Amino acid sequence: AQTVTQSQPEMSVQEAETVTLSCTYDTSESNYYLFWYKQPPSRQMILVIRQEAYKQQNATENRFSVNFQKAAKSFSLKISDSQLGDTAMYFCASSSNDYKLSFGAGTTVTVRA
Amino acid sequence: NAGVMQNPRHLVRRRGQEARLRCSPMKGHSHVYWYRQLPEEGLKFMVYLQKENIIDESGMPKERFSAEFPKEGPSILRIQQVVRGDSAAYFCASSPQARVGDEQYFGPGTRLTVT
Repeated sequence: AQTVTQSQPEMSVQEAETVTLSCTYDTSESNYYLFWYKQPPSRQMILVIRQEAYKQQNATENRFSVNFQKAAKSFSLKISDSQLGDTAMYFCASSSNDYKLSFGAGTTVTVRA
Repeated sequence: NAGVMQNPRHLVRRRGQEARLRCSPMKGHSHVYWYRQLPEEGLKFMVYLQKENIIDESGMPKERFSAEFPKEGPSILRIQQVVRGDSAAYFCASSPQARVGDEQYFGPGTRLTVT
Protein backbone atom coordinates (compact mmCIF):
# COMPACT_ATOMS: atom_id res chain seq x y z
CA ALA A 1 0.00 0.00 0.00
CA GLN A 2 1.15 3.52 -0.72
CA THR A 3 0.29 6.68 1.16
CA VAL A 4 0.91 10.24 0.07
CA THR A 5 0.80 13.19 2.44
CA GLN A 6 0.54 16.86 1.59
CA SER A 7 0.68 18.94 4.73
CA GLN A 8 -0.03 22.36 3.23
CA PRO A 9 -3.73 22.89 2.48
CA GLU A 10 -3.16 26.34 0.94
CA MET A 11 -0.28 28.43 -0.40
CA SER A 12 -0.27 31.97 -1.74
CA VAL A 13 2.44 33.49 -3.91
CA GLN A 14 3.01 36.79 -5.65
CA GLU A 15 3.17 36.72 -9.43
CA ALA A 16 6.74 36.10 -10.68
CA GLU A 17 7.82 34.71 -7.30
CA THR A 18 8.67 31.11 -6.40
CA VAL A 19 6.60 28.71 -4.34
CA THR A 20 7.47 25.24 -3.06
CA LEU A 21 4.89 22.57 -2.30
CA SER A 22 5.70 19.73 0.08
CA CYS A 23 4.89 16.06 -0.34
CA THR A 24 5.96 12.97 1.56
CA TYR A 25 5.13 9.41 0.67
CA ASP A 26 5.44 5.92 2.03
CA THR A 27 5.88 2.77 -0.03
CA SER A 28 7.42 -0.65 0.37
CA GLU A 29 8.06 -0.99 -3.36
CA SER A 30 11.50 -0.54 -4.86
CA ASN A 31 10.19 0.47 -8.29
CA TYR A 32 7.78 3.38 -8.19
CA TYR A 33 6.99 6.69 -9.80
CA LEU A 34 5.99 10.03 -8.35
CA PHE A 35 3.83 12.66 -10.01
CA TRP A 36 2.51 16.15 -9.56
CA TYR A 37 -0.90 16.85 -11.08
CA LYS A 38 -2.56 20.22 -11.45
CA GLN A 39 -6.32 20.70 -11.14
CA PRO A 40 -7.38 24.22 -12.20
CA PRO A 41 -10.90 25.55 -11.56
CA SER A 42 -12.06 23.67 -14.66
CA ARG A 43 -11.33 20.50 -12.62
CA GLN A 44 -9.40 18.90 -15.49
CA MET A 45 -6.46 16.92 -14.09
CA ILE A 46 -3.22 17.79 -15.88
CA LEU A 47 0.13 16.07 -15.40
CA VAL A 48 2.77 18.62 -14.43
CA ILE A 49 5.85 16.49 -13.84
CA ARG A 50 6.92 12.89 -13.26
CA GLN A 51 9.89 11.34 -11.43
CA GLU A 52 11.19 7.78 -11.61
CA ALA A 53 12.36 6.56 -8.22
CA TYR A 54 15.53 4.95 -9.49
CA LYS A 55 16.69 8.17 -11.18
CA GLN A 56 18.69 10.42 -8.90
CA GLN A 57 18.44 13.46 -11.15
CA ASN A 58 15.53 15.71 -10.29
CA ALA A 59 12.93 16.12 -13.05
CA THR A 60 12.36 19.55 -14.59
CA GLU A 61 9.63 20.82 -16.90
CA ASN A 62 10.07 24.48 -17.82
CA ARG A 63 9.18 26.48 -14.68
CA PHE A 64 8.37 23.36 -12.67
CA SER A 65 11.01 21.31 -10.90
CA VAL A 66 11.10 18.74 -8.13
CA ASN A 67 13.38 18.02 -5.21
CA PHE A 68 13.34 14.25 -4.81
CA GLN A 69 14.87 13.04 -1.56
CA LYS A 70 14.52 9.26 -1.71
CA ALA A 71 15.88 8.45 1.73
CA ALA A 72 13.55 10.97 3.33
CA LYS A 73 10.66 9.90 1.04
CA SER A 74 10.12 13.52 0.12
CA PHE A 75 9.03 14.89 -3.26
CA SER A 76 8.53 18.65 -3.30
CA LEU A 77 7.44 20.76 -6.28
CA LYS A 78 8.93 24.16 -7.00
CA ILE A 79 7.07 26.59 -9.24
CA SER A 80 9.36 29.37 -10.45
CA ASP A 81 8.26 32.69 -11.96
CA SER A 82 4.67 32.02 -10.88
CA GLN A 83 1.96 33.03 -13.33
CA LEU A 84 -1.72 33.72 -12.76
CA GLY A 85 -2.53 30.60 -14.76
CA ASP A 86 -0.72 28.51 -12.16
CA THR A 87 -3.60 29.10 -9.74
CA ALA A 88 -4.95 25.61 -9.11
CA MET A 89 -5.07 22.68 -6.74
CA TYR A 90 -1.88 20.61 -6.92
CA PHE A 91 -1.86 16.91 -6.11
CA CYS A 92 1.13 14.75 -5.39
CA ALA A 93 0.67 11.10 -6.42
CA SER A 94 2.57 7.85 -6.54
CA SER A 95 2.25 4.57 -8.42
CA SER A 96 4.07 1.28 -8.44
CA ASN A 97 3.49 -2.23 -9.68
CA ASP A 98 -0.29 -2.09 -9.50
CA TYR A 99 -0.48 1.00 -11.75
CA LYS A 100 -3.15 2.78 -9.75
CA LEU A 101 -2.35 6.28 -8.58
CA SER A 102 -2.44 7.15 -4.90
CA PHE A 103 -3.08 10.85 -4.36
CA GLY A 104 -2.44 13.25 -1.53
CA ALA A 105 -5.16 15.59 -0.27
CA GLY A 106 -3.91 18.46 -2.40
CA THR A 107 -2.55 21.97 -1.94
CA THR A 108 -4.45 24.98 -3.22
CA VAL A 109 -2.09 27.49 -4.81
CA THR A 110 -3.24 31.04 -5.38
CA VAL A 111 -1.07 33.36 -7.47
CA ARG A 112 -1.65 37.03 -6.64
CA ALA A 113 -1.32 39.74 -9.26
CA ASN B 1 -6.81 13.22 -31.21
CA ALA B 2 -9.68 13.86 -28.85
CA GLY B 3 -8.97 13.53 -25.19
CA VAL B 4 -10.77 11.38 -22.66
CA MET B 5 -14.48 12.12 -22.85
CA GLN B 6 -16.87 11.83 -19.95
CA ASN B 7 -20.57 12.39 -19.90
CA PRO B 8 -22.61 13.76 -18.48
CA ARG B 9 -20.51 16.52 -16.92
CA HIS B 10 -23.12 17.08 -14.25
CA LEU B 11 -25.67 14.58 -13.01
CA VAL B 12 -28.36 15.11 -10.40
CA ARG B 13 -30.12 12.11 -8.92
CA ARG B 14 -32.58 11.67 -6.10
CA ARG B 15 -31.80 9.20 -3.36
CA GLY B 16 -32.60 5.67 -4.50
CA GLN B 17 -32.17 6.34 -8.22
CA GLU B 18 -29.47 4.90 -10.45
CA ALA B 19 -26.54 6.86 -11.83
CA ARG B 20 -24.70 5.88 -15.02
CA LEU B 21 -21.43 7.60 -15.79
CA ARG B 22 -19.77 7.15 -19.17
CA CYS B 23 -16.15 7.34 -20.17
CA SER B 24 -14.68 7.14 -23.67
CA PRO B 25 -10.90 6.70 -23.49
CA MET B 26 -8.48 8.35 -25.85
CA LYS B 27 -8.17 6.68 -29.23
CA GLY B 28 -5.84 3.71 -29.01
CA HIS B 29 -6.12 3.41 -25.23
CA SER B 30 -7.43 0.12 -23.90
CA HIS B 31 -6.83 0.70 -20.19
CA VAL B 32 -9.35 2.66 -18.14
CA TYR B 33 -9.22 3.77 -14.52
CA TRP B 34 -11.99 5.31 -12.42
CA TYR B 35 -11.31 7.62 -9.48
CA ARG B 36 -13.62 9.40 -7.05
CA GLN B 37 -12.97 12.80 -5.53
CA LEU B 38 -14.97 13.72 -2.47
CA PRO B 39 -15.24 17.43 -1.57
CA GLU B 40 -11.93 18.87 -0.29
CA GLU B 41 -10.11 15.56 -0.82
CA GLY B 42 -7.73 14.00 -3.30
CA LEU B 43 -8.74 11.42 -5.86
CA LYS B 44 -9.23 7.86 -4.67
CA PHE B 45 -8.78 4.87 -6.97
CA MET B 46 -11.91 2.81 -7.58
CA VAL B 47 -11.38 0.35 -10.43
CA TYR B 48 -9.06 -0.52 -13.31
CA LEU B 49 -10.45 -2.15 -16.46
CA GLN B 50 -9.23 -3.40 -19.78
CA LYS B 51 -11.54 -4.23 -22.64
CA GLU B 52 -14.11 -6.73 -21.32
CA ASN B 53 -12.11 -7.36 -18.13
CA ILE B 54 -12.04 -5.94 -14.62
CA ILE B 55 -8.41 -6.07 -13.54
CA ASP B 56 -8.51 -4.42 -10.12
CA GLU B 57 -11.64 -3.35 -8.28
CA SER B 58 -10.06 -3.04 -4.85
CA GLY B 59 -11.29 0.56 -4.45
CA MET B 60 -14.91 -0.10 -5.32
CA PRO B 61 -17.52 -0.20 -2.55
CA LYS B 62 -18.76 -3.75 -2.18
CA GLU B 63 -22.40 -2.89 -2.80
CA ARG B 64 -24.28 -0.76 -5.33
CA PHE B 65 -21.24 0.06 -7.47
CA SER B 66 -20.25 -1.73 -10.67
CA ALA B 67 -18.13 -0.98 -13.71
CA GLU B 68 -17.73 -2.38 -17.17
CA PHE B 69 -15.69 -1.74 -20.27
CA PRO B 70 -17.32 -3.62 -23.16
CA LYS B 71 -15.67 -4.60 -26.39
CA GLU B 72 -17.55 -1.81 -28.12
CA GLY B 73 -18.55 1.48 -26.57
CA PRO B 74 -17.56 3.48 -23.52
CA SER B 75 -16.71 2.33 -20.04
CA ILE B 76 -19.66 2.64 -17.66
CA LEU B 77 -19.59 3.26 -13.92
CA ARG B 78 -22.96 2.37 -12.47
CA ILE B 79 -24.19 3.34 -9.04
CA GLN B 80 -27.46 1.80 -7.93
CA GLN B 81 -29.75 3.25 -5.26
CA VAL B 82 -27.63 6.34 -4.80
CA VAL B 83 -27.25 7.93 -1.37
CA ARG B 84 -26.13 11.44 -0.40
CA GLY B 85 -22.65 10.13 0.40
CA ASP B 86 -22.19 9.23 -3.27
CA SER B 87 -22.12 12.92 -4.16
CA ALA B 88 -18.65 13.49 -5.58
CA ALA B 89 -16.70 14.10 -8.75
CA TYR B 90 -15.94 10.92 -10.66
CA PHE B 91 -12.93 10.95 -12.94
CA CYS B 92 -11.99 8.53 -15.64
CA ALA B 93 -8.45 8.16 -16.94
CA SER B 94 -6.97 6.09 -19.74
CA SER B 95 -3.58 4.89 -20.89
CA PRO B 96 -2.35 3.02 -23.97
CA GLN B 97 -0.56 0.40 -21.89
CA ALA B 98 -0.35 -0.52 -18.24
CA ARG B 99 3.33 0.04 -17.60
CA VAL B 100 4.46 1.39 -14.28
CA GLY B 101 4.92 5.12 -14.52
CA ASP B 102 2.89 5.64 -17.67
CA GLU B 103 0.88 8.83 -17.73
CA GLN B 104 -2.82 8.43 -17.18
CA TYR B 105 -4.83 10.91 -19.19
CA PHE B 106 -7.81 12.23 -17.31
CA GLY B 107 -11.23 13.25 -18.49
CA PRO B 108 -13.01 16.37 -17.22
CA GLY B 109 -14.98 14.39 -14.64
CA THR B 110 -18.66 13.91 -13.87
CA ARG B 111 -19.99 15.77 -10.87
CA LEU B 112 -22.72 13.70 -9.25
CA THR B 113 -25.13 15.40 -6.87
CA VAL B 114 -27.57 13.29 -4.90
CA THR B 115 -30.54 15.19 -3.51
